[in-house]
Amino acid sequence: DTEVTQTPKHLVMGMTNKKSLKCEQHMGHRAMYWYKQKAKKPPELMFVYSYEKLSINESVPSRFSPECPNSSLLNLHLHALQPEDSALYLCASSQDRQGGGYNSPLHFGNGTRLTVT
Amino acid sequence: SQKIEQNSEALNIQEGKTATLTCNYTNYSPAYLQWYRQDPGRGPVFLLLIRENEKEKRKERLKVTFDTTLKQSLFHITASQPADSATYLCAPPTGRRALTFGSGTRLQVQP
Repeated sequence: DTEVTQTPKHLVMGMTNKKSLKCEQHMGHRAMYWYKQKAKKPPELMFVYSYEKLSINESVPSRFSPECPNSSLLNLHLHALQPEDSALYLCASSQDRQGGGYNSPLHFGNGTRLTVT
Repeated sequence: SQKIEQNSEALNIQEGKTATLTCNYTNYSPAYLQWYRQDPGRGPVFLLLIRENEKEKRKERLKVTFDTTLKQSLFHITASQPADSATYLCAPPTGRRALTFGSGTRLQVQP
């Protein structure tokens, strides 16, 4: 079991649907991340929140909309996705935001397996 | 551009042997590097961090080296066990960004 909880574990959605992925951590971490992972590929960074403010957006299409309601929660809102967006979506947290001299390890959840039909 | 390379071919070794995985980086000099383990269908799990001023770091059967001249990190698992079978990812930060993961090396330990 991990200390980062992601729900749901699996999600199937049509291209016209709106859905949300949720992530929660109670380790007091102040940085939270969304990564996308396709089969047999490494995780790719999508967004970083630091102290509840969006600090990195890796040029992610606007059909993905992140939200950080408080320091423990991270959401990813999905709308009008394409089949190629099907992937494992991983949430992670760390004590401080990485880069800029911070080297805190990432704590990952086990992801949401998303299938877009 | 900054590149991180791991051997994409799977590494197959016999139980009890030492596994050595390689991570090479080019066009930059990270201040540190992290190694993660990932099992199928699960998120990566942090294993070790090594800083640029550390030549070597150990944790139980794991050892990581960091050669800033060769721009390479080696990850060793001694006395390997079938339970060590997984994909191992090296992850240096790129600039002021968050971690960037290498493509990973799949390790298979045969009993």
